[in-house]
Amino acid sequence: EAGVAQSPRYKIIEKRQSVAFWCNPISGHATLYWYQQILGQGPKLLIQFQNNGVVDDSQLPKDRFSAERLKGVDSTLKIQPAKLEDSAVYLCASSLDAATAGQGDQETQYFGPGTRLLVL
Amino acid sequence: AQSVTQLDSHVSVSEGTPVLLRCNYSSSYSPSLFWYVQHPNKGLQLLLKYTSAATLVKGINGFEAEFKKSETSFHLTKPSAHMSDAAEYFCVVIPGYSSASKIIFGSGTRLSIRP
Repeated sequence: EAGVAQSPRYKIIEKRQSVAFWCNPISGHATLYWYQQILGQGPKLLIQFQNNGVVDDSQLPKDRFSAERLKGVDSTLKIQPAKLEDSAVYLCASSLDAATAGQGDQETQYFGPGTRLLVL
Repeated sequence: AQSVTQLDSHVSVSEGTPVLLRCNYSSSYSPSLFWYVQHPNKGLQLLLKYTSAATLVKGINGFEAEFKKSETSFHLTKPSAHMSDAAEYFCVVIPGYSSASKIIFGSGTRLSIRP
């Protein structure tokens, strides 16, 4: 079974430029997550999709970050314009179906290798 | 508020000795708890998870963790460390009151293994 795919693996841009990341989850996984992991910290959830709908985007800086999952499969995360503090690893994860897993029985998340972003 | 605290940012043990990585959580509801491992330049991998079944959970690579509600802890242990265990370990809590419960990662514990 193929894992979660992400591209690009590395990206270097200058501040105020735009950047987009792509994620293809494991086939059949309804739930998709984007995380931001700043060096030395744990991952922070940015947005969670259930199929093509947004479940939680409370920690997404909506003035500059956007994400979509139009067909309920792959997803893109965009930053426009980028700031120095956006330098981080952006992780994508997927799970079978968090909505039907039941209280206290969340499905396991499978993570991609991440995209390392450096903003100069 | 829901939170998770990993009490040690760095733990160093000798190969063949026991490993203890500490995690405390705060949740008003019955939580789901996980430990993930992140090797350098690799993706996060699930070690084990607690979801209201047995309080002692066994995971991969000889790791296990015990859920102690009275202490709000979910410490990760391994009887004998191996060089390949050197990595970053994250404790994760999901409060569990809905499918959209906010997922919270701890700040991580870096495990070093001395030969």
